[in-house]
Amino acid sequence: GAVVSQHPSRVICKSGTSVKIECRSLDFQATTMFWYRQFPKQSLMLMATSNEGSKATYEQGVEKDKFLINHASLTLSTLTVTSAHPEDSSFYICSARDLSRGGNEQFFGPGTRLTVL
Amino acid sequence: AQTVTQSQPEMSVQEAETVTLSCTYDTSESDYYLFWYKQPPSRQMILVIRQEAYKQQNATENRFSVNFQKAAKSFSLKISDSQLGDAAMYFCAYRLHTGTASKLTFGTGTRLQVTL
Repeated sequence: GAVVSQHPSRVICKSGTSVKIECRSLDFQATTMFWYRQFPKQSLMLMATSNEGSKATYEQGVEKDKFLINHASLTLSTLTVTSAHPEDSSFYICSARDLSRGGNEQFFGPGTRLTVL
Repeated sequence: AQTVTQSQPEMSVQEAETVTLSCTYDTSESDYYLFWYKQPPSRQMILVIRQEAYKQQNATENRFSVNFQKAAKSFSLKISDSQLGDAAMYFCAYRLHTGTASKLTFGTGTRLQVTL
């Protein structure tokens, strides 16, 4: 089946540093990937839609200069949290749609737990 | 804007029994998909079942089935013969049918406990 991986699975960083999270579609090409943030005991909130070869589309209230998204190839999207602060600590999840299979299902990565000290 | 509402923050069911999780949604569209996702303690999102709005027949996947009431904008999930491994957070989600970038809108989730 379609597999989406994320790296790293967890990261701890100091306040003020930048952290990059990778999302890869392992066995399919994804022109569109999605980035979500999930706070403890809450639902997934869409942050942005990552489009291969073009700018990402950010949801209202998400700072595009803070959460940089690069979708450089059909199998890789990266999310960079710039100048991270403790309030950015969260669980970040990516997903992708496999259009070759009809695109009706989104496949989710295993998530990345970010802790900012 | 589309919204998805799950009114049951927590539910509990005994092993081998049946439980129904509720979901309602609001949309002015006629062509869309509805999903139930399971998120176990590992936090990996797993698709449980999918329903196309244009299909009147309720979707079924083994022990999981839905009751899709389009006019009422209701989409409940029934889990039969509950197993310990069914314990997880369950999220109802909505997505427009058209558009490669159409996004999922999630409900707030229902935590399901399965007891012996």
